[in-house]
Amino acid sequence: SQQGEEDPQALSIQEGENATMNCSYKTSINNLQWYRQNSGRGLVHLILIRSNEREKHSGRLRVTLDTSKKSSSLLITASRAADTASYFCATDAGRRALTFGSGTRLQVQP
Amino acid sequence: DTAVSQTPKYLVTQMGNDKSIKCEQNLGHDTMYWYKQDSKKFLKIMFSYNNKELIINETVPNRFSPKSPDKAHLNLHINSLELGDSAVYFCASSQVGLGNTEAFFGQGTRLTVV
Repeated sequence: SQQGEEDPQALSIQEGENATMNCSYKTSINNLQWYRQNSGRGLVHLILIRSNEREKHSGRLRVTLDTSKKSSSLLITASRAADTASYFCATDAGRRALTFGSGTRLQVQP
Repeated sequence: DTAVSQTPKYLVTQMGNDKSIKCEQNLGHDTMYWYKQDSKKFLKIMFSYNNKELIINETVPNRFSPKSPDKAHLNLHINSLELGDSAVYFCASSQVGLGNTEAFFGQGTRLTVV
């Protein structure tokens, strides 16, 4: 079954605006990760947040985790055209493999 | 200096054929994976190997057989290809056990069965 589900499925914004994507999951986790996938390419790891953490920052990225609601959000501030990609959340639930959501397609208009 | 490399990048083949996809990682990781991404971009784990030992084998037809000759390589062989096997297949690796299971992905192999 699908562990994570991202919301929205697609998001279109203007350059300079902030983009927020949400992820919900179903089981207890060790950590939650966000990945980016550019069209026709592999996934690239962006940020990892552990189950005992509530917020993490990396450059223009801010991730929050609410384990009571089994949800996470990824905020990209001051977006750029180069941020156009699909973004996936992935959960590590101790199965020794990540379980991915269905992704949010972000389009940043220049 | 590609960390995870898989070949070929594109594979077009007829139904019923047998094909292989190769994957190599030079990161010294102990765990490798095969994921399948369907047309809706949903990524699903197929197999996971840790130090050449199969540890995850999801509900995948037995036409799919992974082979790990050493911990740096994980190949995927597919017998009797079907139209529904068309997808993008990603190899990945990670170092499990350090509390940080960040995965590194290859560029993907787009398999088209005609």
